[in-house]
Amino acid sequence: ILNVEQSPQSLHVQEGDSTNFTCSFPSSNFYALHWYRWETAKSPEALFVMTLNGDEKKKGRISATLNTKEGYSYLYIKGSQPEDSATYLCAPRRGSNYKLTFGKGTLLTVNP
Amino acid sequence: DADVTQTPRNRITKTGKRIMLECSQTKGHDRMYWYRQDPGLGLQLIYYSFDVKDINKGEISDGYSVSRQAQAKFSLSLESAIPNQTALYFCATSDFGDGNEQFFGPGTRLTVL
Repeated sequence: ILNVEQSPQSLHVQEGDSTNFTCSFPSSNFYALHWYRWETAKSPEALFVMTLNGDEKKKGRISATLNTKEGYSYLYIKGSQPEDSATYLCAPRRGSNYKLTFGKGTLLTVNP
Repeated sequence: DADVTQTPRNRITKTGKRIMLECSQTKGHDRMYWYRQDPGLGLQLIYYSFDVKDINKGEISDGYSVSRQAQAKFSLSLESAIPNQTALYFCATSDFGDGNEQFFGPGTRLTVL
């Protein structure tokens, strides 16, 4: 089983703060890295799929970077809003296997 | 209408009962997956299927079985439910292609007493 670590497990920020969290995974046989956003009582929704070392993706105030050589990805949220409160999951994919291995997630709470 | 639906949404059952959770999708995707989520753990893959005739075990398949009756339907069965199978179960689908972005259903909360 792939070892996927996300840190921190949870964090609380104030509205307007910028924040970031980390996903670490084995760099060997890397194929892709997925980020999902999971709001309470809803289903996980895909944010980004990243494949190339040095890749940077952006969607509104949320962006992500990828380092496949050292096996990590950062997710950034600029100017956090209460509606950004959710669990953010990362899931690397290894080789040509289409299975994803999910981390335990980072629970973000944005206080108004 | 939701692209990925799951029934039932909530179920309470007793130890030893047979339970079937159903998943249907209108996205036309070939690939379907069943995950379970327990508090403090990530989503764990139970079974997955890339085609009607294709069934593959995931990380935690013991105590579960699946059936891919058609491209649009993928059912998960618990032949004899036990309390530690109490969890939130998600079905997901993905298209054929390198992106493999997965689309999740609303989840089924199963409680085994």
